[in-house]
Amino acid sequence: GAGVSQSPSNKVTEKGKDVELRCDPISGHTALYWYRQSLGQGLEFLIYFQGNSAPDKSGLPSDRFSAERTGGSVSTLTIQRTQQEDSAVYLCASSLEGLAGGLNEQFFGPGTRLTVL
Amino acid sequence: AQRVTQPEKLLSVFKGAPVELKCNYSYSGSPELFWYVQYSRQRLQLLLRHISRESIKGFTADLNKGETSFHLKKPFAQEEDSAMYYCALRVPEKLVFGKGTKLTVNP
Repeated sequence: GAGVSQSPSNKVTEKGKDVELRCDPISGHTALYWYRQSLGQGLEFLIYFQGNSAPDKSGLPSDRFSAERTGGSVSTLTIQRTQQEDSAVYLCASSLEGLAGGLNEQFFGPGTRLTVL
Repeated sequence: AQRVTQPEKLLSVFKGAPVELKCNYSYSGSPELFWYVQYSRQRLQLLLRHISRESIKGFTADLNKGETSFHLKKPFAQEEDSAMYYCALRVPEKLVFGKGTKLTVNP
């Protein structure tokens, strides 16, 4: 079956503009995660969804960042008034259940490379 | 606070040589550790997790709670092992990643 997909694969925007990044998880996966991958910083957790709820949004770096998930499936990460430091690869992952459910594995998407000029 | 440290940003070995990628963690709860790998132009994928005690592609990793380590080892490195390796800690519904080690296996 299809893996996690993300769109767009690349996004170039101007400082101050808003952007929306989309994630389509593996069908049937209830848990969805957003991470940010920056040069030299590894992967930083942003937010976690269980169904449509976000029990952990502790990693969102500022109130310019928000995310939603609808129908227990597609998720959108929105960055308002983008800044140059937002430039990074944004990764989405999904798992069948939450990670606490034993052997559940996170499957990652290919990422969206965001460049803020 | 929870933290994962991978002290080596870059690691270069020759084909056939042993390789060890270091990972140390800090966590007050019961640790669950993973190694993820990202080959060039591919997506991040799970390599192994400590609770499975498995060996994948010849790699093994043992959780040492006394030393708070989860080092990844392979006795004979292959060129196709060249990739970015990330150690991760489950906390408890998300993963905390180290900054990664880029492994290059030279012919």
